[in-house]
Amino acid sequence: GAVVSQHPSRVICKSGTSVKIECRSLDFQATTMFWYRQFPKQSLMLMATSNEGSKATYEQGVEKDKFLINHASLTLSTLTVTSAHPEDSSFYICSAPPRGAPKNIQYFGAGTRLSVL
Amino acid sequence: LAKTTQPISMDSYEGQEVNITCSHNNIATNDYITWYQQFPSQGPRFIIQGYKTKVTNEVASLFIPADRKSSTLSLPRVSLSDTAVYYCLVGGNSGYSTLTFGKGTMLLVSP
Repeated sequence: GAVVSQHPSRVICKSGTSVKIECRSLDFQATTMFWYRQFPKQSLMLMATSNEGSKATYEQGVEKDKFLINHASLTLSTLTVTSAHPEDSSFYICSAPPRGAPKNIQYFGAGTRLSVL
Repeated sequence: LAKTTQPISMDSYEGQEVNITCSHNNIATNDYITWYQQFPSQGPRFIIQGYKTKVTNEVASLFIPADRKSSTLSLPRVSLSDTAVYYCLVGGNSGYSTLTFGKGTMLLVSP
């Protein structure tokens, strides 16, 4: 089946630094990818929709200047957490719907655990 | 988007059949019902999707009554590895879409 690869799986950084997370669709093209954030014992919250070749669409309350999204190709979207602070520590997950698949079926990456010290 | 309601948690033992029910009273005519499974520290995984009656695949069955106001995910003979959070999502199946996850059901399978 379709595979979405997310890297790194875990990152620890100092407060104030920036962290880049990559999301790749390995065997299909994805014009749209989604980025979620999940805090402990909570559900996934959609942060933004990444669109290939155009600007990302951010959900209400998500700072676009803090969470930079780039979707430069049909198989790669990146999320950069700029000037990270401890409150940004969370589990970040990307997903992509394969072309032609029913839209409620998406494939998810394994997630990135971000810990900001 | 139709709101969904699921039990917060369920307990079961290995070998038992587990049925998780999801209520979606405001489901629209073109909405599909989709279930995902999430293990700790992993991304969700698609399990099954249906529109009406019954759908079965190698992992689970999905039962949807005629009024479609609820659905039941059935996991036959669960094992310890089925311990996970199960999410029920409801939404249209064409065009542009985002997924809205509710709180899900934490299923704990014990020996």
